[in-house]
Amino acid sequence: GAGVSQSPRYKVAKRGQDVALRCDPISGHVSLFWYQQALGQGPEFLTYFQNEAQLDKSGLPSDRFFAERPEGSVSTLKIQRTQQEDSAVYLCASSPTSSRETQYFGPGTRLLVL
Amino acid sequence: GIQVEQSPPDLILQEGANSTLRCNFSDSVNNLQWFHQNPWGQLINLFYIPSGTKQNGRLSATTVATERYSLLYISSSQTTDSGVYFCAVVERGGGADGLTFGKGTHLIIQP
Repeated sequence: GAGVSQSPRYKVAKRGQDVALRCDPISGHVSLFWYQQALGQGPEFLTYFQNEAQLDKSGLPSDRFFAERPEGSVSTLKIQRTQQEDSAVYLCASSPTSSRETQYFGPGTRLLVL
Repeated sequence: GIQVEQSPPDLILQEGANSTLRCNFSDSVNNLQWFHQNPWGQLINLFYIPSGTKQNGRLSATTVATERYSLLYISSSQTTDSGVYFCAVVERGGGADGLTFGKGTHLIIQP
């Protein structure tokens, strides 16, 4: 079946612009995760949803980062007033029920802030 | 939070060689996954292995949860095995719900 998909695959933004990144999880997966991967580093956890409930947002780096999953399926990660340090690959993952199970990753959105 | 250390950081081998990658973690876990990140950035699931031993073709993995380490074995390496290998865990009983990743092992297989 279809895996996790993300759009856009590439995004260039001017400093100060708002951006929205979309994630379509595997159909039927309850849990959804967002990660940020800086160049040459491992991914870092941002936030976790179970259905539409955002249960953990401990990794969001600032209040400029906001995520939602209003109907428990598609999720959007929004970054307001982008800064150069926000340049990274943003990865989405989903799992059938919880974080204790295998997480399946999407291809990522590569964000470049100029 | 939990700490994840991977070794070696870099590994260069000839095609056909075998290799062992190690992952140490600082606390109990209820999820441990090994990934291969290909040159296009896609994270490919290799194993879900919070404990025990699994094998898939030329790859196998062992996690000794009581001693807080996991090993990934690659036999008869091929050039397509090149890339970065990540170990990632979810801490049991607290901490973030997401995976905590190590810094990865950068593997280069030369023809």
